Amino acid sequence: ETGVTQTPRHLVMGMTNKKSLKCEQHLGHNAMYWYKQSAKKPLELMFVYSLEERVENNSVPSRFSPECPNSSHLFLHLHTLQPEDSALYLCASSQGFSDRDIPDTQYFGPGTRLTVL
Amino acid sequence: RKEVEQDPGPFNVPEGATVAFNCTYSNSASQSFFWYRQDCRKEPKLLMSVYSSGNEDGRFTAQLNRASQYISLLIRDSKLSDSATYLCVVNHSGGSYIPTFGRGTSLIVHP
Repeated sequence: ETGVTQTPRHLVMGMTNKKSLKCEQHLGHNAMYWYKQSAKKPLELMFVYSLEERVENNSVPSRFSPECPNSSHLFLHLHTLQPEDSALYLCASSQGFSDRDIPDTQYFGPGTRLTVL
Repeated sequence: RKEVEQDPGPFNVPEGATVAFNCTYSNSASQSFFWYRQDCRKEPKLLMSVYSSGNEDGRFTAQLNRASQYISLLIRDSKLSDSATYLCVVNHSGGSYIPTFGRGTSLIVHP
């Protein structure tokens, strides 16, 4: 419906596992975002990509590794996560983003609900 | 002080009521402002942008007060389907524009 899809929708992993979250946008946008949403906390911006280049890394631990192979796809690679990393991970895209432009509306995917055991 | 602050609520109102939420921001260089709606266990969706002149969309009215650094959302004639969490989003300037979300205000509209 929103033009942004995420897979998987649910993921349970152990602390020693390696997994990847995938996001795809079908809106022709140039910017993509990863957010983390924990219970009773605001959405936390993790990474921002503009035209496949990372423009923001919001002090995210190295156990989260983003990858943006093209403007339509965004990955979040996970390894050696901690139980406190359990959260809803949301991907979003927007039309354009640069240090001269005001970003316009973000469209969110449905999220991946991650549980780390 | 948090960058974007919202009263988490919940606001419990009867159908037909008028309810208003405020959101304060700390960065005076903030450039653009939005209200998003998030239903339980769903992703946020844009409700409306907030312009300096204010804007209205049906039962919803958004206002920006730059002097006092807050934005507001007014919902008239509340419907049961308005029950959701309303997220305030502020985009800051300074090199690159970064969106910052408030923690959201929960609204429950009851019959």
